[in-house]
Amino acid sequence: DAGVIQSPRHEVTEMGQEVTLRCKPISGHDYLFWYRQTMMRGLELLIYFNNNVPIDDSGMPEDRFSAKMPNASFSTLKIQPSEPRDSAVYFCASSLEREGLYRIGTDTQYFGPGTRLTVL
Amino acid sequence: TQLLEQSPQFLSIQEGENLTVYCNSSSVFSSLQWYRQEPGEGPVLLVTVVTGGEVKKLKRLTFQFGDARKDSSLHITAAQPGDTGLYLCAVGRRALTFGSGTRLQVQP
Repeated sequence: DAGVIQSPRHEVTEMGQEVTLRCKPISGHDYLFWYRQTMMRGLELLIYFNNNVPIDDSGMPEDRFSAKMPNASFSTLKIQPSEPRDSAVYFCASSLEREGLYRIGTDTQYFGPGTRLTVL
Repeated sequence: TQLLEQSPQFLSIQEGENLTVYCNSSSVFSSLQWYRQEPGEGPVLLVTVVTGGEVKKLKRLTFQFGDARKDSSLHITAAQPGDTGLYLCAVGRRALTFGSGTRLQVQP
């Protein structure tokens, strides 16, 4: 399997522009997560989906951020308009919920390589 | 206040040395995970601990979950340059909450 795929790997844009980050989860996984990593705040959850349905978006900073998952193999995170404080590395991760006797602890999340966003 | 406090924040050692990093909290967790993140990549899961007092070994890495399930430690024996990276502890049943991390640099 190719793992979680994110694009672009790097994005440089100017303040006020719209930015769209893309993610393809591992085939068959039923959970998809978007995280953001900065030096100041570390790695923090933005939103996650289960079977394409948003479950918890409490980490989304504000209305400028939106995320969609139109099907099981694709998700987008959009920032409009972008601001310099949005500069960070954005990670997508996916996991498969194990059922029954195998449900011990936390399911393994597989992270993509991230998109490094710089807003000037 | 961070849910998970990791220490030290930075650690630079010579190849062959031993080290321990810590993940502490005032909360009790049903499980805890350790991830390693290398520059330019996403975090990769190393281990999940679920039982108080549990010890798990992964080659030269030894992970321990505290008896009260509030803290955990990661011990590396005879560190190698390939161990360089950011070590993160995390908790959560679905979405993860991460500690701030320990950045380890192993000099050859």
